Amino acid sequence: AQSVSQHNHHVILSEAASLELGCNYSYGGTVNLFWYVQYPGQHLQLLLKYFSGDPLVKGIKGFEAEFIKSKFSFNLRKPSVQWSDTAEYFCAVNGYSSASKIIFGSGTRLSIRP
Amino acid sequence: EAQVTQNPRYLITVTGKKLTVTCSQNMNHEYMSWYRQDPGLGLRQIYYSMNVEVTDKGDVPEGYKVSRKEKRNFPLILESPSPNQTSLYFCASSFEVGGGRAGELFFGEGSRLTVL
Repeated sequence: AQSVSQHNHHVILSEAASLELGCNYSYGGTVNLFWYVQYPGQHLQLLLKYFSGDPLVKGIKGFEAEFIKSKFSFNLRKPSVQWSDTAEYFCAVNGYSSASKIIFGSGTRLSIRP
Repeated sequence: EAQVTQNPRYLITVTGKKLTVTCSQNMNHEYMSWYRQDPGLGLRQIYYSMNVEVTDKGDVPEGYKVSRKEKRNFPLILESPSPNQTSLYFCASSFEVGGGRAGELFFGEGSRLTVL
């Protein structure tokens, strides 16, 4: 069965610090991978997605993620965070042969100290 | 403007009183889905629909029903709500899901439901 693990439940950083949020998935086949962001009081929005090709994916607002197939990981990174990055971040997986399911991780809450 | 619209945004109800949360999208998406968001559990899929008249259960379907009579609408029905259905609900839609072209999910603003 598909599953997604986000081990960091709450991350607190100072502005300008570098960010890496972990995401590991379990699925026995080819996958599509996503990161979504939920700003306080808002709905989820897509940050970036991986379908195929270059495993280093660039998204909006300076975020990037690297797909490492051998580690079943899709970690989210940003070199220098801003206060406005305070939000909850969700990793999601869709298996090629699982046409209907997009499985979300439990989320990582990111708090940025000004 | 492309959007997914949910109503109501906030609702307080009592145990056993049937309610419906509506969801409508204007992007001609074939795929629609309902999720509930609970602290520490992330988003869990309740039901999804691949197209009109095609619906199926997600991971937590108990206590919910859905219908897809029109492409744009996908209402979530709670026939007899219970307090454990108190949650934040999101409707989402996508052009295509699965295979090599899994699409971006577009989410509604959310519906916060409290069942007393």
